[in-house]
Amino acid sequence: AQTVTQSQPEMSVQEAETVTLSCTYDTSESDYYLFWYKQPPSRQMILVIRQEAYKQQNATENRFSVNFQKAAKSFSLKISDSQLGDAAMYFCAYNTGFQGAQKLVFGQGTRLTINP
Amino acid sequence: EADIYQTPRYLVIGTGKKITLECSQTMGHDKMYWYQQDPGMELHLIHYSYGVNSTEKGDLSSESTVSRIRTEHFPLTLESARPSHTSQYLCASSANRGPTFSGNTIYFGEGSWLTVV
Repeated sequence: AQTVTQSQPEMSVQEAETVTLSCTYDTSESDYYLFWYKQPPSRQMILVIRQEAYKQQNATENRFSVNFQKAAKSFSLKISDSQLGDAAMYFCAYNTGFQGAQKLVFGQGTRLTINP
Repeated sequence: EADIYQTPRYLVIGTGKKITLECSQTMGHDKMYWYQQDPGMELHLIHYSYGVNSTEKGDLSSESTVSRIRTEHFPLTLESARPSHTSQYLCASSANRGPTFSGNTIYFGEGSWLTVV
């Protein structure tokens, strides 16, 4: 079974600075997807960024980028120019590449605080 | 962001009551899911569906039940609520291959906060 581990329960960063959230995973599959989701307090879980395992190029979405190390099974999220609105729980998640069984496996989450 | 709706958003009910949490999506997604999440904790899959008339138990055992009579609708029911059912319930959906497919991405509703007293 696949597992996802986020070893940082809490992180904080000064506004406008850069922060990196860590995530490792374990799988025997070769085709899969990795995600970072953001969950603000009492608000909707939204997708931040997605990475296909077969792509070597790291995904980027504006101020958000990932460092995907497939051999090391590592998938970290870098947030540049942190903004107050970035404060949230961040969840790393894994999904199989097979169409028949799409079941996200989540990490424990990292609570990110932005200091003004 | 995805069009997936949950009602009610917040519900406080007494022990022993029957409740149904509604979930609807307007994207034509075949797959739908229910996750349970305690505050500040990770999400656990409790039910999922591959399509109409398909329902499966998730990784976390739950006393709730689900049905999938229409593609867009995936309600969750608790026949007799208990305080241990107090949690947030998140509905989600994803597409098969096709015009709306986006790499096995799962989209979430806003969640239903259930408190059983």
